[in-house]
Amino acid sequence: DTEVTQTPKHLVMGMTNKKSLKCEQHMGHRAMYWYKQKAKKPPELMFVYSYEKLSINESVPSRFSPECPNSSLLNLHLHALQPEDSALYLCASSQERESLNEQFFGPGTRLTVL
Amino acid sequence: AQSVTQPDIHITVSEGASLELRCNYSYGATPYLFWYVQSPGQGLQLLLKYFSGDTLVQGIKGFEAEFKRSQSSFNLRKPSVHWSDAAEYFCAVAPSSNTGKLIFGQGTTLQVKP
Repeated sequence: DTEVTQTPKHLVMGMTNKKSLKCEQHMGHRAMYWYKQKAKKPPELMFVYSYEKLSINESVPSRFSPECPNSSLLNLHLHALQPEDSALYLCASSQERESLNEQFFGPGTRLTVL
Repeated sequence: AQSVTQPDIHITVSEGASLELRCNYSYGATPYLFWYVQSPGQGLQLLLKYFSGDTLVQGIKGFEAEFKRSQSSFNLRKPSVHWSDAAEYFCAVAPSSNTGKLIFGQGTTLQVKP
């Protein structure tokens, strides 16, 4: 199984809502990532988890709160988002955090903030 | 600072024609370089990567790339393009060996004419 799954596929939320994005992998990978991708732009790294511990936070606003409950699961909790946060949110995983390891990407969650 | 430049925003080729997508990087040390492809509505898939050794790297789907240190380039090539190759292509560099962080170029959109 070389698949990273993300739910939901689409999410529409208001600025006062609280929602969560979920990412799951069963490849035994110990590094997991959240990226944000605006239309016609490259992915931008948000967070890196290694062995369930946060190792990189790319100065992401606190309205985005990541969580790694176990080695297979990665969540992104959303609260008080702004319309400019509308984007495709991609999750990825790799065997280890070392750069030579391939990152496997999920299909993403398309988020719209009204 | 490390950066990646993809000079061509959009390229159109005829099916069966050869393809070259350009990528230039700015990096002080030996870079870790990657090419990813993203089909519409999908996550990213790794085509190939370069860390060291042979400067001509073979990847999946018939793609190859050549690392040229003197030109700071890592161009992607395919001898005969198929309609299914139409997608967004991203060149990426890893600024260090052990963070998992990737810096992506702006991407090149490939359109394939029948």
